[in-house]
Amino acid sequence: GAGVSQSPRYKVAKRGQDVALRCDPISGHVSLFWYQQALGQGPEFLTYFQNEAQLDKSGLPSDRFFAERPEGSVSTLKIQRTQQEDSAVYLCASSLGTGTSESFGPGTRLTVT
Amino acid sequence: AQSVTQLDSQVPVFEEAPVELRCNYSSSVSVYLFWYVQYPNQGLQLLLKYLSGSTLVKGINGFEAEFNKSQTSFHLRKPSVHISDTAEYFCAVREMIQGAQKLVFGQGTRLTINP
Repeated sequence: GAGVSQSPRYKVAKRGQDVALRCDPISGHVSLFWYQQALGQGPEFLTYFQNEAQLDKSGLPSDRFFAERPEGSVSTLKIQRTQQEDSAVYLCASSLGTGTSESFGPGTRLTVT
Repeated sequence: AQSVTQLDSQVPVFEEAPVELRCNYSSSVSVYLFWYVQYPNQGLQLLLKYLSGSTLVKGINGFEAEFNKSQTSFHLRKPSVHISDTAEYFCAVREMIQGAQKLVFGQGTRLTINP
């Protein structure tokens, strides 16, 4: 079956531009996560949804980062006024719920110039 | 707060040799433990996980890991590696408390298999 998909796969933005990254989770998956993976580092947690509710956004690095999942399915991570330090791979993952393992998408590589 | 330390950033190994990738963690509560593999330009794939029970966990692709609570370690092993095992490997933990969902990852170990 289809896994987690993310689009675009690559994004180049000029500093100061806004970007929107999309995640399509596996159908029926209740939980959805966003992680940020800087070059040469492990993924770092950004935010977590259970259906449409954003239950944990403790990892969002600043108020320029905003995530939503309005209908409990597709999620969008938005970054306003991008800066060079935002350059990273943004990973989305979904799972059936508590106690189940996540499936990760291929990621979106964001480069801010 | 939890933290995960992968002691080796790079591990070069010859094909068919054994390998061990080391992982230590720190947490004030009990944790679940995971190993993920990441191939170039791909997402993370779960290799194995420890939730409870036997401390020796077997995963996909011939990998296994052993949970050692006293040493707070969860080292990954494979008795004989293949060229196709070349990838980045990440150890991760999740707190064993209600409501905890996020994974905390180590910095990764790049495994390179030489012919």
